[in-house]
Amino acid sequence: GDSVTQMEGPVTLSEEAFLTINCTYTATGYPSLFWYVQYPGEGLQLLLKATKADDKGSNKGFEATYRKETTSFHLEKGSVQVSDSAVYFCALRTSTGANNLFFGTGTRLTVIP
Amino acid sequence: NAGVMQNPRHLVRRRGQEARLRCSPMKGHSHVYWYRQLPEEGLKFMVYLQKENIIDESGMPKERFSAEFPKEGPSILRIQQVVRGDSAAYFCASSPPSDHSNQPQHFGDGTRLSIL
Repeated sequence: GDSVTQMEGPVTLSEEAFLTINCTYTATGYPSLFWYVQYPGEGLQLLLKATKADDKGSNKGFEATYRKETTSFHLEKGSVQVSDSAVYFCALRTSTGANNLFFGTGTRLTVIP
Repeated sequence: NAGVMQNPRHLVRRRGQEARLRCSPMKGHSHVYWYRQLPEEGLKFMVYLQKENIIDESGMPKERFSAEFPKEGPSILRIQQVVRGDSAAYFCASSPPSDHSNQPQHFGDGTRLSIL
């Protein structure tokens, strides 16, 4: 079945460090891929998305490239800030009928000054 | 605020009571999804509805849980005879009525349900 495997946390980084959060997926067909961010006490906000192979999603300095050959969608940011502290969720949506999102378990990021 | 609106934000119930969670989708959105998030876990799909129709309820527990999205008014997720294991955050998301395989879902801030 469809699933997302996400790098487990928590991850603690110093400000301005490089961030990578790994995400791989299993899906039939050609899924769309998403990264969502959840700040404390809030709902999920869409961070970026990619809908086909080799697409690169980007937003707020974050990037992720849809790699079909490795079934991956790793999230990266070159220089993290304290305000990036949150939980990050990788998710997929299949193209084969089901419309719901499949989520990874989330990675908690803490950035320290 | 034209986003997805959920209420209440926090709900406390005693075991055996009923919990009703409400969700108003974004303006122009006619597709609603409910997800459950247990502590320190990712979100798990529960049910997908369009106006007056349940499209996919494959993630709903077989007993005590029901959902509706009437022609008028918000979508309701109803949990009867709540138990401690129902304690979780329940999130609603909505999307527009178009080719939505690549349309992002927009999430509300969730309802945090606590069972005493």
